[in-house]
Amino acid sequence: QSALTQPASVSGSPGQSITISCTGTSSDIGGYDSISWYQQHPGKAPKLLIYDVRNRPSGVSDRFSGSKSGNTASLSISGLQAEDEADYFCNSFTTSITPAYVFGAGTKVTVL
Amino acid sequence: EVHLEESGGGSVQPGGSQRLSCEVTGFTFSNYWMNWVRQAPGKGLEWVANIKPDGSETYYGDSVKGRFTISRDNAKNSLSLQMNSLRAEDTALYYCARDYNASGSLDSWGQGTLVTVSS
Repeated sequence: QSALTQPASVSGSPGQSITISCTGTSSDIGGYDSISWYQQHPGKAPKLLIYDVRNRPSGVSDRFSGSKSGNTASLSISGLQAEDEADYFCNSFTTSITPAYVFGAGTKVTVL
Repeated sequence: EVHLEESGGGSVQPGGSQRLSCEVTGFTFSNYWMNWVRQAPGKGLEWVANIKPDGSETYYGDSVKGRFTISRDNAKNSLSLQMNSLRAEDTALYYCARDYNASGSLDSWGQGTLVTVSS
């Protein structure tokens, strides 16, 4: 399974909005809604931010939102805050060879 | 409170074997798909394997297929990963994670156990 494509880095100033893309194929992102996003701070375990394309778990700020168009999923962060500086990973169900899951390579978000 | 705790990591020589365990508390283990996810030092996340709640189905990432085996003991609330024929590229922090809704939504994670494959 090939990793999903994410930009290596995205940056923004406090209060701004940013969007992280996650591009796959019709065998993963384009074909299924089992798409999730994770935030990871250094030395910490990943945290689920978005599941099933656009749903937020209880306790996750509504500044985080997810969407999908064709073979590309997106995570948007509005009202950027210093604590949002972290690595972000997308994940999708895939049937490229056998049923499995695949992560994106990750995006480093920097708050300027 | 949901809690997952991995153990069994350590140093192993190439070609060797290692068995990881994940003990869980705070939820009905037998109701959930469970996963192993790994992260090489300074790298991104890589999905390794998952297992159905009753243990009847297992799936693996291409890089570990045929070498790793995921299993579970619902009576002991325990998840395992048997790793054989280990390679240097298997060096990583291994996390166990709960799948919240059987669609890859990994909502609970342990802190990970480090496996180092080196001669």
